[in-house]
Amino acid sequence: GAVVSQHPSRVICKSGTSVKIECRSLDFQATTMFWYRQFPKQSLMLMATSNEGSKATYEQGVEKDKFLINHASLTLSTLTVTSAHPEDSSFYICSAPTGVNTEAFFGQGTRLTVV
Amino acid sequence: AQTVTQSQPEMSVQEAETVTLSCTYDTSESDYYLFWYKQPPSRQMILVIRQEAYKQQNATENRFSVNFQKAAKSFSLKISDSQLGDAAMYFCAYRRAMDSNYQLIWGAGTKLIIKP
Repeated sequence: GAVVSQHPSRVICKSGTSVKIECRSLDFQATTMFWYRQFPKQSLMLMATSNEGSKATYEQGVEKDKFLINHASLTLSTLTVTSAHPEDSSFYICSAPTGVNTEAFFGQGTRLTVV
Repeated sequence: AQTVTQSQPEMSVQEAETVTLSCTYDTSESDYYLFWYKQPPSRQMILVIRQEAYKQQNATENRFSVNFQKAAKSFSLKISDSQLGDAAMYFCAYRRAMDSNYQLIWGAGTKLIIKP
């Protein structure tokens, strides 16, 4: 089946630095990529939707200048957390739909810890 | 706006027994998809089962089956012969059929505990 590879799986960074998370679709073209944030014991919260070659659409309350999303190719989407702070510590998941009659596929997730 | 409600934050079941997880949703659409996803401790999201709203027949996948009641907007998941590996968070999700982005609307999740 379709595979979405997300890296890194875990990252610890210092406050004030930036962190980039990559999601690659390995065997299909991901026209759309969803980026989620998940707090402990909670559901997935959609942060933004990116479409290849165009600007991402951010959900209300998500700072687009802090969470930079790039979707420059059909196989790669990136989320950069800029000037990270401890409150940005969370689990981030990417997901790409593969078509109208199929389910979405998910990356393995990235646990970000800002110290 | 569409919403998905999972009213059971946590459920527990004895190994080999059957458990049912509840999900209700609200929509004015007639054509849509419903999903159950499993998130084990590894946190990798795994599709358990999918139901197309236009299909009257309930979807089944081995030990997993759904009870889809379109008029009642209910979509419960039944797990038969529960196994230790079934322990996970289970999320119900909805997707409009006409959404070109295929965006999912998520429930809050139910934590399933399997007692050995």
